[in-house]
Amino acid sequence: SQTIHQWPATLVQPVGSPLSLECTVEGTSNPNLYWYRQAAGRGLQLLFYSIGIDQISSEVPQNLSASRPQDRQFILSSKKLLLSDSGFYLCAWTGTPNTGELFFGEGSRLTVL
Amino acid sequence: AQKVTQAQTEISVVEKEDVTLDCVYETRDTTYYLFWYKQPPSGELVFLIRRNSFDEQNEISGRYSWNFQKSTSSFNFTITASQVVDSAVYFCALNSGGYQKVTFGTGTKLQVIP
Repeated sequence: SQTIHQWPATLVQPVGSPLSLECTVEGTSNPNLYWYRQAAGRGLQLLFYSIGIDQISSEVPQNLSASRPQDRQFILSSKKLLLSDSGFYLCAWTGTPNTGELFFGEGSRLTVL
Repeated sequence: AQKVTQAQTEISVVEKEDVTLDCVYETRDTTYYLFWYKQPPSGELVFLIRRNSFDEQNEISGRYSWNFQKSTSSFNFTITASQVVDSAVYFCALNSGGYQKVTFGTGTKLQVIP
C-alpha cells in the first residue's frame, strides 16, 4: 500500500533562518506531488506541485521554493523565513491526476518567531 | 477558474443529531471531480469521497451521505446520528479542467457536543 510521510512534524524557527521540509511517498511511482499551506483557521493554499523529477510549478510568488530531486521525494525550502511563513504545511500525492483525489501526509507545523 | 464555497464556518450539534455541511462550487468545465476531506484535531487531512460530474447518484457510506446536484452546483455532506468523533474541520474540494490542481473550500468546523 502507498504511504506518505513528512517531517519534521513541528518546527520553531527565528526570522531569517533557513527552512527545509521533506516529504516522501512509498509504494507508488511517478506520483504528482503537492505542497499546501494552511494558515491558522484558514483553508488550504496550494504552494507548489510537481508532475515529475525537477518539474516544479509555483502557484504563489513568495519566499518559498520546492524541489523534487527523486521521483518520490518533495522538499520545501526557504533561504530566509518571514513571520508570515508560519503555518501548517501539508504534503500530498495523487496517483490519478485526472481525477485528483489527494492523500496527505501528517503535516508540519512551522512557527516563525 | 474554479471556486468552492463553504458558507458555514462553524457548526455545533448535540450528539446523535443529524448535520448537513454545505458546499457550492463553480467551474466552466463539463468534466470535474468533487471531494470531501476530514481534518481531525491531529491535522492530517483524510480523503472521504470523490464524485464525478457525470454521475449524480447520491452515495451513502454508513452514517455519511452525499447529495450531488448539478442544477444547483452543490455537493452537500450529511452526517446522521453524529458522534463526538465526527468533530473535525471538513473541506469540500474541486478538480476541473485537467489542471491537476485541486481547489479547496475554506472548511467547516463541526463540533459535536456530548
